[in-house]
Amino acid sequence: EAQVTQNPRYLITVTGKKLTVTCSQNMNHEYMSWYRQDPGLGLRQIYYSMNVEVTDKGDVPEGYKVSRKEKRNFPLILESPSPNQTSLYFCASHDRGRSPLHFGNGTRLTVT
Amino acid sequence: QQPVQSPQAVILREGEDAVINCSSSKALYSVHWYRQKHGEAPVFLMILLKGGEQKGHEKISASFNEKKQQSSLYLTASQLSYSGTYFCGTESGANNLFFGTGTRLTVIP
Repeated sequence: EAQVTQNPRYLITVTGKKLTVTCSQNMNHEYMSWYRQDPGLGLRQIYYSMNVEVTDKGDVPEGYKVSRKEKRNFPLILESPSPNQTSLYFCASHDRGRSPLHFGNGTRLTVT
Repeated sequence: QQPVQSPQAVILREGEDAVINCSSSKALYSVHWYRQKHGEAPVFLMILLKGGEQKGHEKISASFNEKKQQSSLYLTASQLSYSGTYFCGTESGANNLFFGTGTRLTVIP
């Protein structure tokens, strides 16, 4: 089944404790991206990747890191999480050309 | 780079129509529309490409005016299943998509 898999679904952590949210897609898509969703603010892009080793900042990259060492994986790293990073995170992938985004099921992160 | 959506929220009775608007300050190559149910991931509805086309999907259709950098989503004869938050996503190059703040649509019996 074609899918984008995010883990974990829920995560509660404390300020400053490094964490990684994993994202993997099995559709051989070149493009992958991370969004955060907050009430009233919609989906805001954090980072974007056009291919292996090619990434670019989105609208809200501060406090986040990404890497794209393999085509299928695009982890989101929070080196020192803060409470303002409490949010619902979505990973998405899409094929070349103007094609639909496929979203993961989301990760609800709470930083206390 | 977020596009602007309006209205922020709308409540309809079953069978009524609604229009959701999306506008960008940048020249657009494409516009996407997605619907998100509470607690779930956004689901793709349709893409409109540069060229001013109109597309349809069941009783949901959309238009794209590239000169005005605007798109509208039309929901006709709404059903309870149409409830959710609708997002437009705009693409201004590099195949990169930016989403609006969403429109919460509630359909009541």
